[in-house]
Amino acid sequence: GIQVEQSPPDLILQEGANSTLRCNFSDSVNNLQWFHQNPWGQLINLFYIPSGTKQNGRLSATTVATERYSLLYISSSQTTDSGVYFCAADYSGGGADGLTFGKGTHLIIQP
Amino acid sequence: DGGITQSPKYLFRKEGQNVTLSCEQNLNHDAMYWYRQDPGQGLRLIYYSQIVNDFQKGDIAEGYSVSREKKESFPLTVTSAQKNPTAFYLCASSFRNQPQHFGDGTRLSIL
Repeated sequence: GIQVEQSPPDLILQEGANSTLRCNFSDSVNNLQWFHQNPWGQLINLFYIPSGTKQNGRLSATTVATERYSLLYISSSQTTDSGVYFCAADYSGGGADGLTFGKGTHLIIQP
Repeated sequence: DGGITQSPKYLFRKEGQNVTLSCEQNLNHDAMYWYRQDPGQGLRLIYYSQIVNDFQKGDIAEGYSVSREKKESFPLTVTSAQKNPTAFYLCASSFRNQPQHFGDGTRLSIL
């Protein structure tokens, strides 16, 4: 079936380090989103990026749709960046059929 | 403030009971979604609705029911047929081909 795979599953870094999280998807996507889930369970939208590159402060994302992967870059990590990062894709042609989520990357930033 | 409101934040169910989780949005979004998250896992799609009075099953619809009588509201009922209902439930909404936005979730536990 349709799959979204994220790597690495766990990542522990020191404050100030840079990181790259990867998301592979198994089919052409209509929608690809990156989320950050904080310790309280809130799911925060980071990027809506079915293709191309976007930047928002210390975070940026790139999706190469033809090669079916997306990357999330976090620069100069802070302890508040800790949490779980999810990639999710919508494969439908209609653009409103629900997202398929990866299992997430659990990021811990140590002071 | 525009947003998605889920209530209650915590819910307890006795064996054999049905319980209903509320989801309301004032973003004028056409589509609404329900997801389930188990510990250490990504989200899985339960049901979604693209327009009022219409909804479709997602990947794990068994033991759940929904209604969409108003554009703003998409309640989820966890029935007694759902044998393992303990989970974190998240509601989302979106315009077609636009990013999904999530509520803060409801944690359901069995007494």
